[in-house]
Formats: sequence, structure tokens, C-alpha cells
Amino acid sequence: EDQVTQSPEALRLQEGESSSLNCSYTVSGLRGLFWYRQDPGKGPEFLFTLYSAGEEKEKERLKATLTKKESFLHITAPKPEDSATYLCAVQTQGGSEKLVFGKGTKLTVNP
Amino acid sequence: GAGVSQSPSNKVTEKGKDVELRCDPISGHTALYWYRQSLGQGLEFLIYFQGNSAPDKSGLPSDRFSAERTGGSVSTLTIQRTQQEDSAVYLCASSLLYRADEQFFGPGTRLTVL
Repeated sequence: EDQVTQSPEALRLQEGESSSLNCSYTVSGLRGLFWYRQDPGKGPEFLFTLYSAGEEKEKERLKATLTKKESFLHITAPKPEDSATYLCAVQTQGGSEKLVFGKGTKLTVNP
Repeated sequence: GAGVSQSPSNKVTEKGKDVELRCDPISGHTALYWYRQSLGQGLEFLIYFQGNSAPDKSGLPSDRFSAERTGGSVSTLTIQRTQQEDSAVYLCASSLLYRADEQFFGPGTRLTVL
């Protein structure tokens, strides 16, 4: 069964304190791995897609990396506005268009 | 342009009642997805529609759940004889055909079953 596990469940940082969120996955074959940001009361907002091990993507203070077993979302010098729940999802081989999501990491950045 | 819209934003119902949740996808998006997000759980895939092909219903948790998509646009998710465990946020997403990697989500409908 395809599984996505995110850690930690919650993370509190001080403004400027860099850290990383982890997404480990067990799938029969990976077509793509996705990171989303979700603010309270809103739907997920797309951040990155990664397709192959070694790939990296960056956007402002966020950088996503991918290995054969896991992905990291690195947050450099975070600001309070980066506070949100970060979701990881995978799309698997076999022709299915559905995504399998992890439970998310709730990030709080204190000023 | 307009994003994915969902209605109602909140729905409170009594156990045993039927409910209908609506999703308006982004214009031109031929793929539409429904997910459920329960408290403390990740997004759970329910169903997706892909153009004119038969929908993938593999994620529907029971036969009380059904969905349709009329005219290749608006979709309605129906839950019959609601149970308390159906309480969750129901999210809809849309994308271009075969572009599940670029799904755009609506704000969700929060369903509370008393």
C-alpha cells in the first residue's frame, strides 16, 4: 500500500531559525512528489513538484529536495507569514491520477 | 481568473439526512477531484472525473457517497444518510486533463453532522 509519512507533526520556530520538514514515502513507483501549503480555512496551495531523485526546487525561503525514499522542505530564515500546515503528496505509477497525501506538518513561526 | 469555488462553505446537518456539496472548477479544467480532510488526518482521495471517461470511484468510503459531474463542469458530491463520522472538510480540486501534478484546490466545505 502506498504511504506518505510527514514529520514532525508540529514545529515551532523563532523568526530567522532555519529548519527542515520531512516527507518519507513508500510507493510502488513514483511519478511525482508534491508540496502544498495550507492556511487555516483554505484549500491547499501548490508549492513544488519533484519528479526524480536529486531534483531540487526553490521559491523564496523554501527549498524542496528529493531522494529515493524521502523529500525535505527546507525553510531558511522563516518569517511569521510562513506559518501554515505543509502537506506532502505523491502520485504513483500505474496510470492513476489520484494523489496520496501525508497528514502534514503544522509550522508556527514566532516573531 | 476565477479559481475553484465550493458551496456551501459550511453545512450543519442532522444524522440521517442527505447532503449535497457543490464544486465549480476552473474554466477549461477537464479533470475534477474530490478529497476529504478529517481532523488530524491527511487529505483522503474520494473520486475523480477525467474528461468524458468513467470516473475513478475507488476512494469512496461507502455506497452512501456518490458524485456526478454535469456537462463536464460543475460537480456535486452527495452523502446519503449522513453519519457523525462523515464530519470533515470536503475539498474539490481541478486540473487540465492528465495534469494531476497541477491541481488547484477550492476552499472546501466544512460538514458537521450532529
